Amino acid sequence: DIQMTQSPSTLSAFVGDRVTITCRASQSISSWLAWYQQKPGKAPKLLIYKASSLESGVPSRFSGSGSGTEFTLTISSLQPDDFATYFCQQYVVYSTFGQGTKVEIK
Amino acid sequence: EVQLLESGGGLVQPGGSLRLSCVASGFTFSNYAMSWVRQAPGKGLEWVSGIRGSDLSTHYADSVKGRFTISRDNAKKTLYVQMSSLRAEDTAVYYCAKSSTVTDLNDAFDIWGRGTMVTVSP
Repeated sequence: DIQMTQSPSTLSAFVGDRVTITCRASQSISSWLAWYQQKPGKAPKLLIYKASSLESGVPSRFSGSGSGTEFTLTISSLQPDDFATYFCQQYVVYSTFGQGTKVEIK
Repeated sequence: EVQLLESGGGLVQPGGSLRLSCVASGFTFSNYAMSWVRQAPGKGLEWVSGIRGSDLSTHYADSVKGRFTISRDNAKKTLYVQMSSLRAEDTAVYYCAKSSTVTDLNDAFDIWGRGTMVTVSP
């Protein structure tokens, strides 16, 4: 099974900060990686697919990069609506999710 | 509007059974692979099972293999999961999710339902 490891688990930041979350795969997944945002009590929302493709309707301050085993999600200027938990997902072999990164207000 | 709506959750005793349903609207349901993803209270996401739209092939996570059965009725635009031999560790919110491309189980999920809670407890 492919394991996905996110870091950090929790991140404290100010509105306007540039934020980066990392996701590492236990083996190469090429670019078959997605990022989701989840708010409390809500379903996950797809932000990025194929490592760097922005889902329709998602603000351009979100971007993804990487390939192989190391990936990043960057929020260029953190907005109040962005405080949430973020998950990565590999989908080269079915699906495995990372454990999540909670972005908190500093 | 593209939408998924789950139902069927509830409280069930260990060893019991439950069937969840997910009704789809706003897209050609039969064209897309569909999955169940669960989230235990305060925990991360776990993919549980998926079914293709075309050949109805299925796959399961090891944690539920042999206990859960996924199925779909394309005429009714409905996805199901029959859960049996339930355990405390199956307690979670269960989401149905649509694959973003038409055929593949190996895919990102672009549409999610609101989820239905399953609690396994004496």
